[in-house]
Amino acid sequence: QQPVQSPQAVILREGEDAVINCSSSKALYSVHWYRQKHGEAPVFLMILLKGGEQKGHDKISASFNEKKQQSSLYLTASQLSYSGTYFCGTERSNYKLTFGKGTLLTVNP
Amino acid sequence: DAGVIQSPRHEVTEMGQEVTLRCKPISGHDYLFWYRQTMMRGLELLIYFNNNVPIDDSGMPEDRFSAKMPNASFSTLKIQPSEPRDSAVYFCASSFSVWDNPTPQHFGDGTRLSIL
Repeated sequence: QQPVQSPQAVILREGEDAVINCSSSKALYSVHWYRQKHGEAPVFLMILLKGGEQKGHDKISASFNEKKQQSSLYLTASQLSYSGTYFCGTERSNYKLTFGKGTLLTVNP
Repeated sequence: DAGVIQSPRHEVTEMGQEVTLRCKPISGHDYLFWYRQTMMRGLELLIYFNNNVPIDDSGMPEDRFSAKMPNASFSTLKIQPSEPRDSAVYFCASSFSVWDNPTPQHFGDGTRLSIL
């Protein structure tokens, strides 16, 4: 089943923060986050395993709440380069990912 | 290092024609995935292979779609006959397996398919 992402879209000014959420109704093994710019391929950001871990990558970090089957992606002090569509991909088994419909992030000067 | 290579980048053809999309995964990767992306349905997994063997083809929409992986460095996705509703961007991705640990999928640049 496809995970639900929220919000569907968000507009920020440079330097502002954003949170993107991803929820599943099924038990998950891992959550993957990707960013896709218009006309390009999705690019991997990070993977979170069950166990409630958190990860950071520059000013982008994420958490995974195994009990709630929810993951959140945190973007702090956003830059123009952060603009794009963010997808979460949920894995239940065997490396198979199911992607959400994406969150369109626009960062303006 | 070369990434996942897909060809063609763009394909425009008429309804009823056979379409073949090609993918070369990253060397050493043992998983290969085919996805379709549309505005309405988002990014959908069609089929994936492990060590050239199809593992799950439950996402293949109809019998008109078929995929093969004859060796570790090449896969094809074929649509025959093609229909306008098949118009989409088709991505190929590959990854490597690490004992029971998920790993990133690396995507190719995609094939933008238009069926007239």
